[in-house]
Amino acid sequence: DVKVTQSSRYLVKRTGEKVFLECVQDMDHENMFWYRQDPGLGLRLIYFSYDVKMKEKGDIPEGYSVSREKKERFSLILESASTNQTSMYLCASSLNTGELFFGEGSRLTVL
Amino acid sequence: AQTVTQSQPEMSVQEAETVTLSCTYDTSESNYYLFWYKQPPSRQMILVIRQEAYKQQNATENRFSVNFQKAAKSFSLKISDSQLGDTAMYFCAFMKGYGGSQGNLIFGKGTKLSVKP
Repeated sequence: DVKVTQSSRYLVKRTGEKVFLECVQDMDHENMFWYRQDPGLGLRLIYFSYDVKMKEKGDIPEGYSVSREKKERFSLILESASTNQTSMYLCASSLNTGELFFGEGSRLTVL
Repeated sequence: AQTVTQSQPEMSVQEAETVTLSCTYDTSESNYYLFWYKQPPSRQMILVIRQEAYKQQNATENRFSVNFQKAAKSFSLKISDSQLGDTAMYFCAFMKGYGGSQGNLIFGKGTKLSVKP
């Protein structure tokens, strides 16, 4: 059974802290994505990666960075967390078919 | 740029009845794919159904079917014999045809569907 695992379901951080959200997939997919989900705004793409060490900006990359050192792992980094980054973060992986496999999400609260 | 619009933020339906969720999109591409994804409460998002734009026949997956109107750029989802487990957020999504898209989808804002007993 395919699986995308996000390291933390719930996190509470303080403004200015550095935050790491990690995502691991076991399907040998080339593509991995980080989305942000907010009520009334749907899913917005932060960054995606189509190969190891490759990354592309999505629609809302400001305030975020990513790392993909291994094919199965894609990390989202908030260098200095702010309250407007309080959100649900979804990781996904895919082949080039459009079928995304999502993790369970990481709900981040920044105080 | 492509856009996806879901005009119904919330809907409800009685168990066993049929409901249709609306989606429109805007694109100048000729080759593309459309999707409906389902996100149950506190659970992972999963693919419900996929439609290739070059296919005239509407996709069907068990109780789920789509009405794809290419000229009108409309892609609605029909759920027949609604079940309590269909309660979820439903997202319509668009992807450009293969060749450079890397599976990058554009999502609508979602429709929250409640199935009532």
